[in-house]
Amino acid sequence: GNSVTQMEGPVTLSEEAFLTINCTYTATGYPSLFWYVQYPGEGLQLLLKATKADDKGSNKGFEATYRKETTSFHLEKGSVQVSDSAVYFCARAPNTNAGKSTFGDGTTLTVKP
Amino acid sequence: EAGVAQSPRYKIIEKRQSVAFWCNPISGHATLYWYQQILGQGPKLLIQFQNNGVVDDSQLPKDRFSAERLKGVDSTLKIQPAKLEDSAVYLCASSLDNRGSYEQYFGPGTRLTVT
Repeated sequence: GNSVTQMEGPVTLSEEAFLTINCTYTATGYPSLFWYVQYPGEGLQLLLKATKADDKGSNKGFEATYRKETTSFHLEKGSVQVSDSAVYFCARAPNTNAGKSTFGDGTTLTVKP
Repeated sequence: EAGVAQSPRYKIIEKRQSVAFWCNPISGHATLYWYQQILGQGPKLLIQFQNNGVVDDSQLPKDRFSAERLKGVDSTLKIQPAKLEDSAVYLCASSLDNRGSYEQYFGPGTRLTVT
């Protein structure tokens, strides 16, 4: 079935460091891909998405590029802030309207001042 | 725009008891999802509704879990009887419809502890 594999955490960085969180997905079809973020005490919310190959999603300084050839959607940010501390989830949409979305297990990011 | 509402936020019950969760999606959203999120894992879909019809319930333990979405708006998820392994956060989400490119909007979740 469809699956998403996410880089295991936790990840601890100093402020202004470069962030990469790896995400790969099973290559059946061309699903839309998402990164969701869960800040402490809050619900999941969409961070960015890409709906077709080579698309780049971006928001709040975060970017991720839909790479069909490597079936990847890695999340990057050039300079993290303390406020970016959260749990990040990679997700893939189903191939059809009757399918279900699949989420990775989440990566916890802690940014220290 | 009001977000997805869920209640209660927290619930503690003993095993073999029953519990019910309620969800009110964003107005106009046709698709509603219930997820189970066990600590340290990503959300796992339990059931997906399109209006008041079930699209997918393949991962719903139907011997103890049930869900309904009357009139295609609010939804309730019930567990009866609960087991220790049901301890998790239950998330409700909604989207405009079930096209894969649409984002899902999540509620704050209900944290269930079964003792």
